[in-house]
Formats: sequence, C-alpha cells, structure tokens
Amino acid sequence: AQSVTQLGSHVSVSEGALVLLRCNYSSSVPPYLFWYVQYPNQGLQLLLKYTSAATLVKGINGFEAEFKKSETSFHLTKPSAHMSDAAEYFCAVTPNSGGYQKVTFGIGTKLQVIP
Amino acid sequence: DTEVTQTPKHLVMGMTNKKSLKCEQHMGHRAMYWYKQKAKKPPELMFVYSYEKLSINESVPSRFSPECPNSSLLNLHLHALQPEDSALYLCASSQDPGQGGHQPQHFGDGTRLSIL
Repeated sequence: AQSVTQLGSHVSVSEGALVLLRCNYSSSVPPYLFWYVQYPNQGLQLLLKYTSAATLVKGINGFEAEFKKSETSFHLTKPSAHMSDAAEYFCAVTPNSGGYQKVTFGIGTKLQVIP
Repeated sequence: DTEVTQTPKHLVMGMTNKKSLKCEQHMGHRAMYWYKQKAKKPPELMFVYSYEKLSINESVPSRFSPECPNSSLLNLHLHALQPEDSALYLCASSQDPGQGGHQPQHFGDGTRLSIL
C-alpha cells in the first residue's frame, strides 16, 4: 500500500525566505505524487503533480517540487515566501496503475509566514 | 473560483433532521467523490461514483446516503446524524475513473456541517 509522510506538521518561515515542505513516499514502484494547498474555509487546490514525465515539476504560485527516487522524496519548495502562502499543504500519492486508484493524503503541513 | 460548486456553504442541523448536500461540476468529469474532513486532518474518502454508479463505499454509516442523479450532480443525503459527524464535507471530481491514478482531483470549497 502507498503512503506518504510529511515531516513537520507546522513550518514557520519569514516573508521572503525559502519555503521547504517535506514529503517522503513509501512504494515499491514510483507512484504518482501530488501537492495540494488548502486555504482557510476552502477546498483543496492542486499545486503540482508528478506523473513520471519530468523529475522537476513546476506548479502554480511559484512552487516547484523535485522527485528523487533514491530518497523516495517529493519535497515542495518556493524561493521566496509571501504572506498569501500561509495555508495547509497536503502531499498525496496514488499508485502508478490503471483503473481507479485511491488517493492517500499525508497529515498536512501548516505553513505560517511571519512578516 | 473553483470549478466544483457545493451548496450550502454552511449547515446547522439537529440530530433528527433530514438535509442534503449538493455538488455540481461542468467539466465533463466522470468520477465524483465525497470526502469528510475534520479539523487539522486530511480528507477521508467516503464514496466514489464512477460513470454515475456507486463504485466505492468506505464503510460509511447508513445515515449518509449518496446519490448521483446525472454526470454533473452529486448529492449527499443526511439523516439522524451524530455530533461527531460535524465536519467539512468536500466534493471532488476527476476526469476518467478508468484511466489511472495520474489524474488530479478537483475539489469544491466544501460544506461546513454542524450537528447540534
């Protein structure tokens, strides 16, 4: 079964600083990986996804993530944090298979941006 | 603006009430989902509809009854709920349920449900 581990349920960064949110996956075969963001009182919005086409994936709002098979990681980064980036971030995984595949979410990381 | 629309945004109901949550998407997606999200937790899958047919029920109590009247609409009928059912209920959709896990899900903003 697939799983993802998000290290750090809370991350605080200063405005303008690097954002690094960690996600490690557990799977015998490289899966599909996603990062979603959830702003207060809203649903989840897709930031980016890895589907084996390229290991460095660029997403919306200046975020990107790099798939590293050797480290089983898919960490999310942004060079310079904005106040508007404060939100909950979920890493998610699905098996690299056909047919319906259930999404498994990580526990989430709450990003706080300090002025 | 989200492409998946959920109504109402907020709902307060007593334990004996009957109410329904509604979800609508016009992206031509053929898979639709209901999730329950408690505070500070990730979404938990409840139901999956594939081509308007219920394909997955994650052992959800019968006081929750899903319905998919057509390919654009998804309802969740509620009856005799318990206080622990208070949560954010999210609807999502994805393009083609038969084409694998690479398709992202598109989420609505949810209905915040409070059970008195």
